[in-house]
Amino acid sequence: ETGVTQTPRHLVMGMTNKKSLKCEQHLGHNAMYWYKQSAKKPLELMFVYSLEERVENNSVPSRFSPECPNSSHLFLHLHTLQPEDSALYLCASSQAGPVQGAGDEQFFGPGTRLTVL
Amino acid sequence: GEDVEQSLFLSVREGDSSVINCTYTDSSSTYLYWYKQEPGAGLQLLTYIFSNMDMKQDQRLTVLLNKKDKHLSLRIADTQTGDSAIYFCAERKGGSYIPTFGRGTSLIVHP
Repeated sequence: ETGVTQTPRHLVMGMTNKKSLKCEQHLGHNAMYWYKQSAKKPLELMFVYSLEERVENNSVPSRFSPECPNSSHLFLHLHTLQPEDSALYLCASSQAGPVQGAGDEQFFGPGTRLTVL
Repeated sequence: GEDVEQSLFLSVREGDSSVINCTYTDSSSTYLYWYKQEPGAGLQLLTYIFSNMDMKQDQRLTVLLNKKDKHLSLRIADTQTGDSAIYFCAERKGGSYIPTFGRGTSLIVHP
């Protein structure tokens, strides 16, 4: 596997279910991100893990819970979601730290298309 | 308003040039990026420009930066149907590794 991979690619869940999204990066990066992409809205940064520090968007509901066990893996745990949470969830990674150049650009996975019924 | 703004749609004829525009608000932006998202896929970096540059050319792509007006554009020469996608403008401020994205411009290329 190369780059950033995400599983599953598609997920349909009920509002009472608990599920997890998985992301794995094979690029040796030290920062990983979760984004939410909804139709006609800006890309929303949900969580960042960088150098083992977690940065989060305070507007993200607690029904989304990230986990980053190591620098290569990132999870997004989902529970009691709402229909408005249906979206494409994108994972990305980059090499964070002192600005060294545009090599700090983010590499994205293909996303998980989530539908909440 | 939003930190990074783009028009939502652009329609061009195959073979013509496409110009996608973006405006940003923060004059301390150091890097500006263009990402491309094809259907069913994540975002892919197309090109970037450093804030001390005015222009960057890469094959069919030309990026122009007007720092005074905080305006960035992406020109695609000889646009092909395979260029149909959503194009995102993003900025990264000095001292931060987290970029801010625009809403994306859907480019539709028709025969």
